[in-house]
Amino acid sequence: QKEVEQDPGPLSVPEGAIVSLNCTYSNSAFQYFMWYRQYSRKGPELLMYTYSSGNKEDGRFTAQVDKSSKYISLFIRDSQPSDSATYLCATDAYNTDKLIFGTGTRLQVFP
Amino acid sequence: DAGVTQSPTHLIKTRGQQVTLRCSPKSGHDTVSWYQQALGQGPQFIFQYYEEEERQRGNFPDRFSGHQYPNYSSELNVNALLLGDSALYLCASSLSQSRSNQPQHFGDGTRLSIL
Repeated sequence: QKEVEQDPGPLSVPEGAIVSLNCTYSNSAFQYFMWYRQYSRKGPELLMYTYSSGNKEDGRFTAQVDKSSKYISLFIRDSQPSDSATYLCATDAYNTDKLIFGTGTRLQVFP
Repeated sequence: DAGVTQSPTHLIKTRGQQVTLRCSPKSGHDTVSWYQQALGQGPQFIFQYYEEEERQRGNFPDRFSGHQYPNYSSELNVNALLLGDSALYLCASSLSQSRSNQPQHFGDGTRLSIL
């Protein structure tokens, strides 16, 4: 079983839609979770960084961690064509600075 | 404030050759990690440097080695290149764990192609 699993998509939505991106993880000891956005031919850009359970909001983005089901989500409200990118979930496994990533979900927002 | 910078942006090598990739961390960061990202996959952790020493290592062979300099910049060296080494190599920097958990910030990577 992979430590972090993510549906690779692609996910195609119309402009203005609410987007839900999801990952599951295998080890309940994981505590730190991140979402990165990666545009084509660019490095991952940190979007959200959360600790333990609960929600964190930043503008149109909301990150949610459900430790009971080992499930993390990223919601994007009022999606824009500029949101078209690959979204990577990651965890700081065992709090060691070694990030474990999902495979990434490719999102396309069409006008 | 400069972010993480990597050089070169793109490199083409042949099998059996050796390559050196370079990284300058974000200002104020002292820890550098290297990742390999194959096409269509998430980044895979190679190793991490702190205080000029390799602090931890992922599941990569000894052909992959690194170095960190006193100014915190870092190099990734790969010997005896294989076709399977073709990937985007990413450098990430952060503050050390001793200053509480800090997120990692990535550069735009070096795209390595092996012919």
